[in-house]
Amino acid sequence: SAVISQKPSRDICQRGTSLTIQCQVDSQVTMMFWYRQQPGQSLTLIATANQGSEATYESGFVIDKFPISRPNLTFSTLTVSNMSPEDSSIYLCSVDTTLGETQYFGPGTRLLVL
Amino acid sequence: DQQVKQNSPSLSVQEGRISILNCDYTNSMFDYFLWYKKYPAEGPTFLISISSIKDKNEDGRFTVFLNKSAKHLSLHIVPSQPGDSAVYFCAASSSNTGKLIFGQGTTLQVKP
Repeated sequence: SAVISQKPSRDICQRGTSLTIQCQVDSQVTMMFWYRQQPGQSLTLIATANQGSEATYESGFVIDKFPISRPNLTFSTLTVSNMSPEDSSIYLCSVDTTLGETQYFGPGTRLLVL
Repeated sequence: DQQVKQNSPSLSVQEGRISILNCDYTNSMFDYFLWYKKYPAEGPTFLISISSIKDKNEDGRFTVFLNKSAKHLSLHIVPSQPGDSAVYFCAASSSNTGKLIFGQGTTLQVKP
């Protein structure tokens, strides 16, 4: 399994501001993803973080709102831009080292936008 | 279009008995099905998965059954323990993308 850490673990932000979330993995991984869990909802994939190239976004998510960086095989960042209260969610990064058989998640970043 | 569905929002069982959590899917192209346990303030914890070419996988107290013809899978927990109380999510993935599609989750309560 992979050990994944995220920073910050939680934050309270004002609307209109941006927050960058960091995800660090203890080993090199090919597949890294970012998910969101809105209050009372399930987990939804935001994007696949591709090393050395632009992230691949799911329907309903755009790069201007959720820019992602993946400078190497152990690290990625997700920025939530121009935040509104609707962005209040838990943001989670995950890694897959087994081509779909298992996927491990970080502890999550709990974001509250006022 | 909900590709993965967990139709039971909650389940309550007595300690020591079996817990059965169900999940249905619509896309026959999924390669793997995964189960996660989640507490409110934490990330999901991977429990067990099953390949689409198998019909059963077992790991300790956890067993997952897959019925491809019915597009249905279930997670059995035996014996159930109070520490198993959490939200359980099933998810489906394609091996070429690794993307997970989650069900809505089932809240399991195991009573002492």
